[in-house]
Amino acid sequence: NAGVTQTPKFRVLKTGQSMTLLCAQDMNHEYMYWYRQDPGMGLRLIHYSVGEGTTAKGEVPDGYNVSRLKKQNFLLGLESAAPSQTSVYFCASNIAGRDTQYFGPGTRLTVL
Amino acid sequence: RKEVEQDPGPFNVPEGATVAFNCTYSNSASQSFFWYRQDCRKEPKLLMSVYSSGNEDGRFTAQLNRASQYISLLIRDSKLSDSATYLCVVNKGGYSTLTFGKGTMLLVSP
Repeated sequence: NAGVTQTPKFRVLKTGQSMTLLCAQDMNHEYMYWYRQDPGMGLRLIHYSVGEGTTAKGEVPDGYNVSRLKKQNFLLGLESAAPSQTSVYFCASNIAGRDTQYFGPGTRLTVL
Repeated sequence: RKEVEQDPGPFNVPEGATVAFNCTYSNSASQSFFWYRQDCRKEPKLLMSVYSSGNEDGRFTAQLNRASQYISLLIRDSKLSDSATYLCVVNKGGYSTLTFGKGTMLLVSP
């Protein structure tokens, strides 16, 4: 039981490049979330999903897209990376109706 | 007013000290409340949920005052291993979307 895993752990991009961050959970959780964490800021919600095939915008969705084609996976895409997207990205999941979220180890992304 | 505000910190305390963290939230409709702990460069982990009746888990005590929209965390007999950032977290309701405070760093020294 790996819990929540994230791929990759680190990545450096050049401005304008695209990439996809993968989040996977093996706990059969219905809800999944993507957050970003910047120095001096709390975690901010980018997008979330309450089930396979459904996604919704969070607090800071601009510049990101997401997909939830399988219940266990939640993908975060950056179509054209910008330096302002340099951040640590955390994925989380939880059982529907329960508040406790379980976080992945994070992806450290630098955009030059 | 920010949605969730915490003491800016850092708090530097000696081992064995008692330390209290404070947090206020702006949305009176918020439904559930938590303290998470985040170690340096690691993911946040749930420390404890916070209830109006107050709850205790070993050396940790959390309190909620809905009228004042105030949450607290008390750590007694601080250990070196308590050094971390403590995040105040609020759920406004609906799909468990959480709002995080910026966190308060605690440094416990020998």
